[in-house]
Amino acid sequence: DVKVTQSSRYLVKRTGEKVFLECVQDMDHENMFWYRQDPGLGLRLIYFSYDVKMKEKGDIPEGYSVSREKKERFSLILESASTNQTSMYLCASTTYGATNEKLFFGSGTQLSVL
Amino acid sequence: GESVGLHLPTLSVQEGDNSIINCAYSNSASDYFIWYKQESGKGPQFIIDIRSNMDKRQGQRVTVLLNKTVKHLSLQIAATQPGDSAVYFCAELTGGGNKLTFGTGTQLKVEL
Repeated sequence: DVKVTQSSRYLVKRTGEKVFLECVQDMDHENMFWYRQDPGLGLRLIYFSYDVKMKEKGDIPEGYSVSREKKERFSLILESASTNQTSMYLCASTTYGATNEKLFFGSGTQLSVL
Repeated sequence: GESVGLHLPTLSVQEGDNSIINCAYSNSASDYFIWYKQESGKGPQFIIDIRSNMDKRQGQRVTVLLNKTVKHLSLQIAATQPGDSAVYFCAELTGGGNKLTFGTGTQLKVEL
């Protein structure tokens, strides 16, 4: 089975701190994604990556950056955390193909910014 | 703008009954749809998918129906069990697109 591992289940940070959320997948997937999940808003795409050192902005990239130095690892960075970035963050991966668009998700990181 | 939405935020059903979760989409160019299940404390998990050239697809205890005329998608769960309690999301992929757009989710509660 595909495994997508997020390094922290719960994280509490202070306003202005630099925050790193790490995600690792073990299935050699090309594509990796970062979503945030908020009640009533569903899942919104922050950034995604199709290959090492490649990144693309999603729907809500403001206040975030990403890093993909290795194929299996995709990091989400909050340069200066703010309270409105308190949310559940979900990492996902998939291999790209015409008939396979299924995303495999990690268990999520609940980030609280105080 | 384009949107994917769900009609009901919460659905309560009795154990053993069938559940129907609905989803409306507005992008007529969408050609691929997926249903995800998210249990408490976990990430979303793939349930079933359907392409726009199909009207119906069946899995184990689940059926997805697609009505392109009214841009409506539904997930039917047969003989609902307590383990089906979760939030269910529909998602759509537009032709040529590389990312999915998710709906806001429906909470399914199974009453014993």
